[in-house]
Amino acid sequence: QVQLVQSGAEVKRPGASVKVSCKASGYTFTTYAIHWVRQAPGQGLEWMGWVNAGNGDTTYSQKFQGRVTMTRDTSASTVYMELSSLRSEDTALYYCGRDPDEYLDPWGQGTLVTVSS
Amino acid sequence: SYELTQPLSVSVALGQTARITCEGKNIGSKNAHWYQQKPGQAPVLVIYRDNNRPSGIPERFSGSNSGNTATLTLSRAQAGDEADYYCQVWDSSTFVFGSGTKVTVL
Repeated sequence: QVQLVQSGAEVKRPGASVKVSCKASGYTFTTYAIHWVRQAPGQGLEWMGWVNAGNGDTTYSQKFQGRVTMTRDTSASTVYMELSSLRSEDTALYYCGRDPDEYLDPWGQGTLVTVSS
Repeated sequence: SYELTQPLSVSVALGQTARITCEGKNIGSKNAHWYQQKPGQAPVLVIYRDNNRPSGIPERFSGSNSGNTATLTLSRAQAGDEADYYCQVWDSSTFVFGSGTKVTVL
């Protein structure tokens, strides 16, 4: 079955960077884009951007431009999301999701990133 | 930038019908998608392209989209349907999510 498995929880200091991975299985990795969405505690879903797993092209939300980098490793069927210059407001659950046709299905299980001094 | 507005909360009696709205300018010209998120879990797609159900989603979930409003309809509500529901569209190569609606089954 199609599955996205994300890396484990992270605790980072303000100003540091974090890199979260999302490993895909159960389908041809290069056929679909992968998006990243985050959810701060008690808040709604916030779209961050997406990477074309086939050619590596990316599109980022303006809010994260300059701070986020999304890459993929086709040999490992894995997508990465790196967020730099972390601040406390970046504390959130980060999800990846596969894009079959401008929606997300399925989603990864989420990775909790905590930013604290 | 494009915005989607959802009611903060909707309550429904057990076995009755709940309708969750998602308002956006001319949203009827876009494809609307809906996700269910239960506490401590990742979101799950329940409706895609306005009114299509993924495999495994009960027929009790249905959707419509016209004019400035997309609607998720939950028929014969069950206790297990209590969750947050989010609408989403694709606009100018970006995803836009609604603010989310908490559904309570009484």
